[in-house]
Amino acid sequence: EVKLAESGGGSVQPGGSLRLSCSASGFTLDSYEMNWVRQTPGKGLEWVSFISRNGENAYHAEFVEGRFTISRDNAKNSIYLHLNSLRAEDTAIYYCARDPTGYIYGFNYFDLWGQGTLVTVSS
Amino acid sequence: EIVLTQSPGTLSLSPGESATLSCRATQPISNNYLAWYQQRPGQAPRLLIYGASSRAPGIPDRIRGSGSGTDFTLTISRVEPEDVAVYFCQQYGSAFGQGTKVEIK
Repeated sequence: EVKLAESGGGSVQPGGSLRLSCSASGFTLDSYEMNWVRQTPGKGLEWVSFISRNGENAYHAEFVEGRFTISRDNAKNSIYLHLNSLRAEDTAIYYCARDPTGYIYGFNYFDLWGQGTLVTVSS
Repeated sequence: EIVLTQSPGTLSLSPGESATLSCRATQPISNNYLAWYQQRPGQAPRLLIYGASSRAPGIPDRIRGSGSGTDFTLTISRVEPEDVAVYFCQQYGSAFGQGTKVEIK
């Protein structure tokens, strides 16, 4: 079965850090660009971060402001999102999502999503 | 930046009716670079349509995408209980619309 599975979410205080993981199965991860997308009741769906198949290109949304880092380990069929200096407004469900288009300089659309992991930032 | 506005906010239909969902862009979207997603309650989004009108694998042909320029439409024929969901449009490489909720009466 082709699948993405996120983990690593949880509750953290403002200013804290978390590492989210996304494990891929049923397909060859190193053939795809990957992304993190988050969802909140107030702002809806927001693209967060992109990484090209070989990890050479990585981009983040403006609201990240240097606080998050996306990475991948194709040998482990996994991508990661390191969240630092977390703020209350980063509270969201974080999804990893696959881009099927093969464009290595940014995301297009998403043909496969994980089930999401909840990050709650609160004191 | 192009902003996508979806309407209506909520659509309430009886089983068997057709649903027409609109996604309007503030500027023309080139090459019909628009996707539609379905998000059922408690689930992750699922790709329905890409390139404005191409169905993703496994999507039934009663779900159809159309449109160009600034006006795009998702049509669901013969609505079923499994269609209860929020539907989002997204311009490639850019933001999502705010969603349309489809309910069954």
